[in-house]
Amino acid sequence: EPEVTQTPSHQVTQMGQEVILRCVPISNHLYFYWYRQILGQKVEFLVSFYNNEISEKSEIFDDQFSVERPDGSNFTLKIRSTKLEDSAMYFCASSERGGLGPQHFGDGTRLSIL
Amino acid sequence: SQQGEEDPQALSIQEGENATMNCSYKTSINNLQWYRQNSGRGLVHLILIRSNEREKHSGRLRVTLDTSKKSSSLLITASRAADTASYFCATDAGAAGNKLTFGGGTRVLVKP
Repeated sequence: EPEVTQTPSHQVTQMGQEVILRCVPISNHLYFYWYRQILGQKVEFLVSFYNNEISEKSEIFDDQFSVERPDGSNFTLKIRSTKLEDSAMYFCASSERGGLGPQHFGDGTRLSIL
Repeated sequence: SQQGEEDPQALSIQEGENATMNCSYKTSINNLQWYRQNSGRGLVHLILIRSNEREKHSGRLRVTLDTSKKSSSLLITASRAADTASYFCATDAGAAGNKLTFGGGTRVLVKP
């Protein structure tokens, strides 16, 4: 069964450094999402992406965050200058039909900011 | 409380028993989805129920939706040790981005 894959599985970065989290969505999916889960807390929506543009973003997704679909297969989340509070599990998801169908999640990237 | 709150927060049952968990939400929705998360892993989609549906089945899973009460329930019948996981409801309010709003989850332990 097709899967959403995320790399790396664990990223350790110094505060203030830039980090890029990578995702390969399921190949025929058109809708892409990033969520995060701080340890012990709820999964929180960050951003949705469709037709090469952001559809919706949360308050968390400030100017330090950006997303890109550079080559038609990868979907990346960049954090420009990481903060300690960015430490979390980041999940990528994709959907074939947007709100008409389920979102399929990757196994996540654990981001640790030192 | 926030959109998508599960109850109970934790549930411990014996293998073979049924597990029921509930989810309440506050705003109108397009659909409601249930996910499972094993420790340290991603979210696995279990079932989606649309706002105009009242009940849905998938294998040992049964989901109900009551939009008048803004609540949903997930029933796992004849539980197995492999069902041990956290279960989350997530609502799609139908906004342009189709974002999911997750509850805090129910941790289910199925004892062999």
